[in-house]
Amino acid sequence: EPEVTQTPSHQVTQMGQEVILRCVPISNHLYFYWYRQILGQKVEFLVSFYNNEISEKSEIFDDQFSVERPDGSNFTLKIRSTKLEDSAMYFCASKGDSFNQPQHFGDGTRLSIL
Amino acid sequence: DAKTTQPPSMDCAEGRAANLPCNHSTISGNEYVYWYRQIHSQGPQYIIHGLKNNETNEMASLIITEDRKSSTLILPHATLRDTAVYYCIVRAPQGGSEKLVFGKGTKLTVNP
Repeated sequence: EPEVTQTPSHQVTQMGQEVILRCVPISNHLYFYWYRQILGQKVEFLVSFYNNEISEKSEIFDDQFSVERPDGSNFTLKIRSTKLEDSAMYFCASKGDSFNQPQHFGDGTRLSIL
Repeated sequence: DAKTTQPPSMDCAEGRAANLPCNHSTISGNEYVYWYRQIHSQGPQYIIHGLKNNETNEMASLIITEDRKSSTLILPHATLRDTAVYYCIVRAPQGGSEKLVFGKGTKLTVNP
């Protein structure tokens, strides 16, 4: 069964450094998402992306965050200058083009900011 | 998107059916009910979704009441691997937000 894959599984970064989290969505999916989950807390929506542009973003997704689909297969989340509070699990999700299809999630990248 | 209410935790014996309830009394006519689960710290796993008819797939069954104000996810023969947090989410696929709003869900523990 096709799945969303995320790399790396664990990323350790110094505060203030840039980090890029990578996702390969399910082939032929058209809608892409990033969520995060701080340890012990709820899964929170960050951003949705469709037709090469952001369609919706949350208050968390400030100027330090950006997303890109650089080559038609990868979908990336960049954090420009990481803060301690960015430490979390980051989940990528994708969805097909039928309106009620569910989002399918990857197993996440654990980001640890030191 | 409508809010949902789920019990914080439930227990189930291995091999028995697990029935997980969800209240969504303010659901709108075009909002679907989606169920996901999260095993430990893995990514949320899609289980099933429906609008108003009952649905069944290889993982579970979804029973939606006639007034659509509540639903029940049924795992017919729970195994230890079904121990997870189960989330009930309602959203309108069209004309609304794309985001899924996760609550705290129900922590299901399947006991041997």
